[in-house]
Amino acid sequence: SYVLTQPPSVSLAPGKTARITCGGNNIASQNVNWYQQKPGQAPVVVIYYDDDRPSGIPERFSGSNSGNTATLTISRVEAGDEADYYCQVWDSSSDSWVFGGGTKLTVL
Amino acid sequence: EVQLVESGGGLVKPGGSLRLSCAASGFTFSNAWMSWVRQSPGKGLEWVGRIKTKTEGGTTDFAAPVKGRFSISRDDSKNTLYLQMNSLKTEDRGVYYCTTDNYPSGYSSGLAFDYWGQGTLVTVSS
Repeated sequence: SYVLTQPPSVSLAPGKTARITCGGNNIASQNVNWYQQKPGQAPVVVIYYDDDRPSGIPERFSGSNSGNTATLTISRVEAGDEADYYCQVWDSSSDSWVFGGGTKLTVL
Repeated sequence: EVQLVESGGGLVKPGGSLRLSCAASGFTFSNAWMSWVRQSPGKGLEWVGRIKTKTEGGTTDFAAPVKGRFSISRDDSKNTLYLQMNSLKTEDRGVYYCTTDNYPSGYSSGLAFDYWGQGTLVTVSS
């Protein structure tokens, strides 16, 4: 089955730009969704279809997808962005949704 | 306001069964594909399975670890989704969320899991 690989953690200071990667074989041929999950809460979609942003999600959140890596970029990181972030794709070879292992974003 | 409220979680012995429910409101439930996603304590998200709308056959898909043991059904007259879990294993423990999966009127026009419940905890232990 399809495997998505994310770094376990990313740490940076407020105001910096966070880039969270999601690696997968030829992931550029997939449509990638990104979810934010804060402690004790259900996930929230922050990017869908590689680079679209749902209404209500700040413009600081953006997505890209090329080659074997999809990237969630969070500009001007704030303390409130601290959360776990997950990428997701539909794997048509197994008819199943696949999540990456998740990345914990820490704002120092 | 869209609401998804899961119930039915609890403690069950290995090999036992449990049925989870998800009560939906605030949207046209019959038009939404629905998925179940679980999360083991301190771990990541894992998709469990989904069901399409009745007009699209009401067919189901499942993740490999639960195929043959879990089933999903829906009662559109009650706006309720179900997850029947049989032959439970310790590794099935975790919080189970129901989500919309391909709901055309959602934030992402159905391309992502737009709405989530708050989850119900399943513990499998002897």
